[in-house]
Amino acid sequence: KQEVTQIPAALSVPEGENLVLNCSFTDSAIYNLQWFRQDPGKGLTSLLLIQSSQREQTSGRLNASLDKSSGRSTLYIAASQPGDSATYLCAVTRTGNQFYFGTGTSLTVIP
Amino acid sequence: GAVVSQHPSWVICKSGTSVKIECRSLDFQATTMFWYRQFPKQSLMLMATSNEGSKATYEQGVEKDKFLINHASLTLSTLTVTSAHPEDSSFYICSARVPRGQPYEQYFGPGTRLTVT
Repeated sequence: KQEVTQIPAALSVPEGENLVLNCSFTDSAIYNLQWFRQDPGKGLTSLLLIQSSQREQTSGRLNASLDKSSGRSTLYIAASQPGDSATYLCAVTRTGNQFYFGTGTSLTVIP
Repeated sequence: GAVVSQHPSWVICKSGTSVKIECRSLDFQATTMFWYRQFPKQSLMLMATSNEGSKATYEQGVEKDKFLINHASLTLSTLTVTSAHPEDSSFYICSARVPRGQPYEQYFGPGTRLTVT
């Protein structure tokens, strides 16, 4: 069974810092990996999707990498802002249908 | 983008009663919706896959007679927690698959916080 772990569970940084969130998964036979943002009272928002054949994806200040063979992904956030405060989830799929989510990293960016 | 809503956003019910949670796709038709459950400090776990006009498919360990799913229209799926107990207290979140899109193109609702007293 696929298990997804995220480290750290919580992170607090001052505004402007660059930061890295980590995600690891036990079964490397994945279809893709997504990073989501979860805000209280709102649904999950997909931030970046990396297909199994890709190594990284970038969107604005966000960069996600994927090392499928080692079962790891990182989400890099550059020049963090208070608006980035949220819980970040990574999720992998094997068939593209069912998501296996990590436990999330709660990020607080201090103004 | 596509929007998925859930109602209610939070609910408190007494042990032994039933509670219904609605999941609606507001600006698209979703033939497939998914129901997840998230316990504190744990990850979202898929409970069941709901297909319009057919019976839901439940994940292993999820009691289908306790968690009744009805996907009667292309924009609405409901989850009814029957004879709720305190251990059913959790955060329930649904997602809807975009039609004719990739299977992983799902939009998530804001979730429903259920507390059973």
